[in-house]
Amino acid sequence: SQQGEEDPQALSIQEGENATMNCSYKTSINNLQWYRQNSGRGLVHLILIRSNEREKHSGRLRVTLDTSKKSSSLLITASRAADTASYFCATGVDNNDMRFGAGTRLTVKP
Amino acid sequence: EAGVAQSPRYKIIEKRQSVAFWCNPISGHATLYWYQQILGQGPKLLIQFQNNGVVDDSQLPKDRFSAERLKGVDSTLKIQPAKLEDSAVYLCASISSGQGGTEAFFGQGTRLTVV
Repeated sequence: SQQGEEDPQALSIQEGENATMNCSYKTSINNLQWYRQNSGRGLVHLILIRSNEREKHSGRLRVTLDTSKKSSSLLITASRAADTASYFCATGVDNNDMRFGAGTRLTVKP
Repeated sequence: EAGVAQSPRYKIIEKRQSVAFWCNPISGHATLYWYQQILGQGPKLLIQFQNNGVVDDSQLPKDRFSAERLKGVDSTLKIQPAKLEDSAVYLCASISSGQGGTEAFFGQGTRLTVV
């Protein structure tokens, strides 16, 4: 079964606005990753956060992790049309496993 | 550094036929995954290998799906016989050995259509 659940399922914003996506999971995890998938292409790793971390940044990306609420959020600041894609969270428990949620489909309008 | 290679890119077969997918991970990557991604859904883990051993195949429909990773490098995923609901993109990914999670590299996938 899939571990994470992303919210919202779809998000549409204007270029320049910020986009926030959330991921909730059910069991304790070792780490959580965010991936991006452009239409018809493979997944690309964005950022990894470990269970003992609360926040990480990478360029215009900011990820938070709240293990007490079993949730994570991905913030994309100053969005661009090129950010249009599906975003997935993947949770890892042990043995390097990765289980994905259903994803959030982000549309950034120029 | 070469990426994860998958072939074929596209495959159309009739139901009850068999099909095989091939994956060549990044050199030196010990862990290899096969995922099934149905249109509009997230990737579903089918099987995870560590070198040539199976770590997790709990979601692999073993009555029709099989996978192997001989010599701990290339891997093949087979479906026999295929059903209509097997239509999906099959993704292969690999990571180097590590603890606590590591960035995974994905191939472009094989898009299977069963008619």
